[in-house]
Amino acid sequence: DSGVTQTPKHLITATGQRVTLRCSPRSGDLSVYWYQQSLDQGLQFLIQYYNGEERAKGNILERFSAQQFPDLHSELNLSSLELGDSALYFCASSGGSIEQFFGPGTRLTVL
Amino acid sequence: ILNVEQSPQSLHVQEGDSTNFTCSFPSSNFYALHWYRWETAKSPEALFVMTLNGDEKKKGRISATLNTKEGYSYLYIKGSQPEDSATYLCAPTPNTGNQFYFGTGTSLTVIP
Repeated sequence: DSGVTQTPKHLITATGQRVTLRCSPRSGDLSVYWYQQSLDQGLQFLIQYYNGEERAKGNILERFSAQQFPDLHSELNLSSLELGDSALYFCASSGGSIEQFFGPGTRLTVL
Repeated sequence: ILNVEQSPQSLHVQEGDSTNFTCSFPSSNFYALHWYRWETAKSPEALFVMTLNGDEKKKGRISATLNTKEGYSYLYIKGSQPEDSATYLCAPTPNTGNQFYFGTGTSLTVIP
C-alpha cells in the first residue's frame, strides 16, 4: 500500500458526459501527478500540482482539467468524454524525494 | 517530452533463467532515472532511482546500472521466479522538472 488513495476504482459513463476523479496523496506529500494509461500505450504524464499550484503540464487535452485543494487532495475533471478517453488514470504523489508513489488507479470506461 | 525506448517489448523466460532489459533515453538534460515494477491489476511500484553515471543499485535478485553519457540503463534479474512476472517501466526525469516520462515497458513472463 503506497498511501495514495484514488476514488472511484471503476467508472462507467457515456460519451459527452463529465466525470471527476479524486486523489489523496500520501500524508505530507505536496506534489500530485496525474497519468493516463490507454490500451497499448505506456503511462502518459498529464499534469503536476505542487502545494495547490500547477507545476508542469504534459499531454493533457483541453477537455481535461485538474486542481489541487488546500488539503492537498487533487481532482481530475474529464469533460465531453469520448470513447478514446477510456483508460486507467493514475495519481502519484511525492514529497521531499524525487520518487513518486502511485495510487491504485481509476479505470474509466466510456460507452 | 522525452523519447524513452525500452527493449524488448516482451520476454518469456524459464524459471531460474537470468534476464536483462534496456531503457534508452536522451542523455542531455538528464537528472534521474527511475525503474518501476508494475504487476497486473496493481499500481506501479518503485524499484530504483539512479542519478549518477555509473550508478549501480541492487535489491535482492534485481539490479540496475546507469550510463548517463550514452543514455541507457540496464535492469537485470538473476534466477527469475514466477513472482517476477510483471511489466518493468523506466522513467527518466529531466533537469527541467520532476515529471516522469515513462517508456512503454518490458513485459516479463517467467514460466514455472
